[in-house]
Amino acid sequence: QVQLVESGGGVVQPGRSLRLACAASGFIFSNYGMHWVRQAPGKGPEWVAIIWYDGRNKYYADSVKDRFTISRDNSNNTLYLQMTNLRADDTAVYYCARGVAVNSYQPSPFDFWGQGTLVTVSS
Amino acid sequence: TTLTQSPAFMSATPGDKVTISCKASQNIDDDMDWYQQKPGEAPIFIIQEGTTLAPGISPRFSGSGYGTDFTLTIRNTESEDAAYYFCLQHDNFPFTFGQGTKLEIK
Repeated sequence: QVQLVESGGGVVQPGRSLRLACAASGFIFSNYGMHWVRQAPGKGPEWVAIIWYDGRNKYYADSVKDRFTISRDNSNNTLYLQMTNLRADDTAVYYCARGVAVNSYQPSPFDFWGQGTLVTVSS
Repeated sequence: TTLTQSPAFMSATPGDKVTISCKASQNIDDDMDWYQQKPGEAPIFIIQEGTTLAPGISPRFSGSGYGTDFTLTIRNTESEDAAYYFCLQHDNFPFTFGQGTKLEIK
């Protein structure tokens, strides 16, 4: 079955960096676009970034552009989110999620989400 | 694209029909999806492309709408339907979510 397991969250001071990872299994990782979505405590979800199945294109939310970088290692079935210059309003549970479309550049919703990893930005 | 979801909270009794609305600020064709989330859990995909039931989801759930106005309907509600529901548009980047609806089952 499809499994997405995030790791790398924790408490970090403002201005510092953190790298999240998402280990995928149960499907052919290199065939799917992958997303990061975050959810601040008590708030609705916010889409963060997408990387297409082949890694050629990426899009970011304005709130994280130029600070966060999404990447993937298709040989190791792992998705990453490098976060720099972290701010208090980046505090959230970060989920990785699989796009529905296979081998496609067509935007599509997410059919599976991981359990999330909590990032807390605080001094 | 801004999504306006309503209501923010609703209460129902088992057996009720529940409807949740999501309005997009511009035409998104049928690129609307719905998710269910219970406390401490990952969201579950329930409706895609406006009307298509996701695999494994109870047929008590249904979606309707096109363009800018969309609705999630839950028929014959059960206690297990108590959750937070939110809409997502995937028509254009950045993807955006509605503010969410908390459904209480008395």
